[in-house]
Amino acid sequence: QQPVQSPQAVILREGEDAVINCSSSKALYSVHWYRQKHGEAPVFLMILLKGGEQKGHDKISASFNEKKQQSSLYLTASQLSYSGTYFCGTGNSGGSNYKLTFGKGTLLTVNP
Amino acid sequence: DTEVTQTPKHLVMGMTNKKSLKCEQHMGHRAMYWYKQKAKKPPELMFVYSYEKLSINESVPSRFSPECPNSSLLNLHLHALQPEDSALYLCASSQEASYYEQYFGPGTRLTVT
Repeated sequence: QQPVQSPQAVILREGEDAVINCSSSKALYSVHWYRQKHGEAPVFLMILLKGGEQKGHDKISASFNEKKQQSSLYLTASQLSYSGTYFCGTGNSGGSNYKLTFGKGTLLTVNP
Repeated sequence: DTEVTQTPKHLVMGMTNKKSLKCEQHMGHRAMYWYKQKAKKPPELMFVYSYEKLSINESVPSRFSPECPNSSLLNLHLHALQPEDSALYLCASSQEASYYEQYFGPGTRLTVT
């Protein structure tokens, strides 16, 4: 089942902060965050696992609330390079049929 | 090296043609994926290969036929496609077919005429 992302779009000035949310109606095993710039491939940002383990880039932070089945991505002191579409992907389980289902995306525009 | 390469970058094919998309990674990853992405939409999973065996087929029409010749290569054979199959086809790989981060290739932009 597709996770729900909010907001759908956000416009920032350089240096401002943003939060992107991802929620699911099903229990989550993992949440992935990717950024895709126009005409380019999605780029890995962060993984959050059930139980608290995280892996990602130093300048990106995120949270994972297992009880609420929600994750949030925190972008602080935004830079022009942060512009792009952010997708969360939710992992269904830890078994052999593990797969990611992506949300519809959040378009982030950072202006000078 | 965290690069996934895909060829060709662009492909235009008629509805009666047969073509193949290729994907390669040299990260030692044991899971490889095909995704389809329409404009302004998220990637949609098509196939997952784990240790060179097909582990997930997301009910993809048989006109798409995946193949994994070895642990570094992934092909997608196309035959008798429809115009609605026009999309960006992304290949990705990860350490295993589990919660590991996925590395995406640049994609093949496919147009079916």
